[in-house]
Amino acid sequence: NAGVMQNPRHLVRRRGQEARLRCSPMKGHSHVYWYRQLPEEGLKFMVYLQKENIIDESGMPKERFSAEFPKEGPSILRIQQVVRGDSAAYFCASSTTGEGNTEAFFGQGTRLTVV
Amino acid sequence: GENVEQHPSTLSVQEGDSAVIKCTYSDSASNYFPWYKQELGKRPQLIIDIRSNVGEKKDQRIAVTLNKTAKHFSLHITETQPEDSAVYFCAASYGQNFVFGPGTRLSVLP
Repeated sequence: NAGVMQNPRHLVRRRGQEARLRCSPMKGHSHVYWYRQLPEEGLKFMVYLQKENIIDESGMPKERFSAEFPKEGPSILRIQQVVRGDSAAYFCASSTTGEGNTEAFFGQGTRLTVV
Repeated sequence: GENVEQHPSTLSVQEGDSAVIKCTYSDSASNYFPWYKQELGKRPQLIIDIRSNVGEKKDQRIAVTLNKTAKHFSLHITETQPEDSAVYFCAASYGQNFVFGPGTRLSVLP
């Protein structure tokens, strides 16, 4: 089991470009969470998805950010028209159930730098 | 919604001493409390968790205690070693999600 895979590990974008972050959950996991972590800060919840469904997006900024988890393929976090403030580490985690009482495994993260 | 507080924000201990990190939560419906360790530049990794039907759980040098009445839970690390140096996050379940505390940066001094 390869664990939760995120790519790319590092992503540099110019202001105004789009960033696409990918997350492949662990085998057998159908629940994915995305978190943002600024330097020296904690993990801020962004969105929780199941296959083909967004369950909770209460942490997502209203504009420019979107997420999906299609029936086939990885979960995608998409940031349009990036700004300097979007620079952060973005982690996804996956679990077998979405009941909030089972272990969530984290990927290595994608470090986004906006220049 | 759920709010998780964590103290202290930084903690320095001498190698071999014990370290204690405390968290409080607000939602009495929370029933699962994991602890994650994050080393610099790496992913958070689960080190121990506890469910609401037990008051204490231990795994070698690491233990977690839970007081549901007071809505707080603590991480205890005994015989600390330099490799324990990291940021530790507590979390509490909230519906189908987790809410994380702000983290504690633990430094174990040789």
